[in-house]
Amino acid sequence: DVKVTQSSRYLVKRTGEKVFLECVQDMDHENMFWYRQDPGLGLRLIYFSYDVKMKEKGDIPEGYSVSREKKERFSLILESASTNQTSMYLCASSWGWREWGSYNEQFFGPGTRLTVL
Amino acid sequence: GQNIDQPTEMTATEGAIVQINCTYQTSGFNGLFWYQQHAGEAPTFLSYNVLDGLEEKGRFSSFLSRSKGYSYLLLKELQMKDSASYLCAVRDPGSGYSTLTFGKGTMLLVSP
Repeated sequence: DVKVTQSSRYLVKRTGEKVFLECVQDMDHENMFWYRQDPGLGLRLIYFSYDVKMKEKGDIPEGYSVSREKKERFSLILESASTNQTSMYLCASSWGWREWGSYNEQFFGPGTRLTVL
Repeated sequence: GQNIDQPTEMTATEGAIVQINCTYQTSGFNGLFWYQQHAGEAPTFLSYNVLDGLEEKGRFSSFLSRSKGYSYLLLKELQMKDSASYLCAVRDPGSGYSTLTFGKGTMLLVSP
């Protein structure tokens, strides 16, 4: 079974703090993703990584950065947390590009509910 | 860009059949996924369609029409545990990285 774990289920931080969210997968997946999920807005992609030390911006990268020093670990960093970053953060992983038509679904971690006060 | 639409909420009765629709307008297409997400939990993969037609998996089926930009998820013999949010997502090959764009999700409430 694929397992994607996230460092915390719940986190409370203060405005201006630096926040680290960590994600680990155990399936040797090439791709890893960070999303945030908000009511009425759905899942939105923040950043993704297709290889160690490689990263690409998603749809809403502003205010976030990422780090992938090892294949199994992908970190999301909020340099200076703000109240509008209060959200559910979901990490996911998948295999890299396969032939057209292959499933290659994303597997999600349990999520971290971050509250910024 | 991608635009994916699905109804916000649906209600149904235990034992019934429900169909959740998803329409999409995308610059490219390499598959459509359905995920199920219970409240407070991670999304879990339900189905994948890349060719036109119906894919069946037990009580769940998913249909795709690429020419119409349309998919549906059909849930039969509804159970209370099927109360969840159902997410439609499209994969765009243009990105080259297997990224998905998700719809906002359809909250399904199954009542006794």
